[in-house]
Amino acid sequence: KAGVTQTPRYLIKTRGQQVTLSCSPISGHRSVSWYQQTPGQGLQFLFEYFSETQRNKGNFPGRFSGRQFSNSRSEMNVSTLELGDSALYLCASRPGTASYEQYFGPGTRLTVT
Amino acid sequence: AQTVTQSQPEMSVQEAETVTLSCTYDTSENNYYLFWYKQPPSRQMILVIRQEAYKQQNATENRFSVNFQKAAKSFSLKISDSQLGDTAMYFCACASGGGADGLTFGKGTHLIIQP
Repeated sequence: KAGVTQTPRYLIKTRGQQVTLSCSPISGHRSVSWYQQTPGQGLQFLFEYFSETQRNKGNFPGRFSGRQFSNSRSEMNVSTLELGDSALYLCASRPGTASYEQYFGPGTRLTVT
Repeated sequence: AQTVTQSQPEMSVQEAETVTLSCTYDTSENNYYLFWYKQPPSRQMILVIRQEAYKQQNATENRFSVNFQKAAKSFSLKISDSQLGDTAMYFCACASGGGADGLTFGKGTHLIIQP
């Protein structure tokens, strides 16, 4: 079974721009979560989607948003980029809400200049 | 809310040795799961081992095993016969409440296996 895929793998943006990252979960997985990883803050939960609905969101400003499509693929969007948004963004999927372990994609490295 | 603490920022051992990584956690939930993830230089996060809190038996996956001390809220990872490919960041994580809050991670331990 193919793993979680994320596109693009690397991205360079300028302050003030917006960016959209994409994630395709493992086939059959209906839940997708997003995490931000930085050297200073470590791994932080952004949000989780299940059946096209956001179940929960971490402590991030409204500039961070996401959505999930009917095929379980998910996108996250960051508007008005700030330098501090530079990070590795990881997507993870799990079969459903009854299963707790998550399987991660390779991540998207976002650099904001 | 839950917290996960890893007190060892970095560890270094010789190949073939056994190493134990420490993790403590805190949660008010009765039903929770604990995990160890490995993140090699490629940055791909890989699930190493999982433990359900309601199970008393410690989980084992080949060379990887855990010591789960529920009362002490401790969850350590033992790697036996360490290999060069074990060099990576290791993260301890906790999930509860249906997983809607995602995984709560510790800060990680950088494990270096020396040849």
